[in-house]
Amino acid sequence: KNQVEQSPQSLIILEGKNCTLQCNYTVSPFSNLRWYKQDTGRGPVSLTIMTFSENTKSNGRYTATLDADTKQSSLHITASQLSDSASYICVVSDRGSTLGRLYFGRGTQLTVWP
Amino acid sequence: EADIYQTPRYLVIGTGKKITLECSQTMGHDKMYWYQQDPGMELHLIHYSYGVNSTEKGDLSSESTVSRIRTEHFPLTLESARPSHTSQYLCASSEALAGASTDTQYFGPGTRLTVL
Repeated sequence: KNQVEQSPQSLIILEGKNCTLQCNYTVSPFSNLRWYKQDTGRGPVSLTIMTFSENTKSNGRYTATLDADTKQSSLHITASQLSDSASYICVVSDRGSTLGRLYFGRGTQLTVWP
Repeated sequence: EADIYQTPRYLVIGTGKKITLECSQTMGHDKMYWYQQDPGMELHLIHYSYGVNSTEKGDLSSESTVSRIRTEHFPLTLESARPSHTSQYLCASSEALAGASTDTQYFGPGTRLTVL
């Protein structure tokens, strides 16, 4: 069964600290993996996308890694800011069907305290 | 910031009412989607469209219906709202289907629906 599991479910850190969010998936055949940021009451916004051949991708203070062999990804946030408080969602695309499916994780709720 | 809009942002209605959630995008995307999201849970696809006059049901069974008469517009209708329909509804659009390199989905701000 194709699934996307994220951990931790929630995380609280102090402003300025770093943190790492995890994503494990069983989606096959794999096409790409995205990390989305969803602010409270808003729609998700894409942060990074990685294909099978890419193992790291940065977007400012956000760095995503991908290990396609172990089917694991992480999102590292450096020097956190209050505006980083949001839900971070891991989304994996397959490439096997005509539709092309997206599989969503439940997200990690990050809270940054001053 | 994506050019995709949803109205209303919040809606509180009584049981049995008919409602339409509006979604429009100005990016010229052929593919559009409706998702349902409950707090702390993953997004569930309820409807999607490949283009004008194309609509399909998604993974999650829904009593709602959709239409796609114009490329930019993808409204969702509930003929008779019930408390079980209380949820957040997110509309999205993309240039390509999932699995393609340009399959980024751009989401609207969502409609928070509460049925009393």
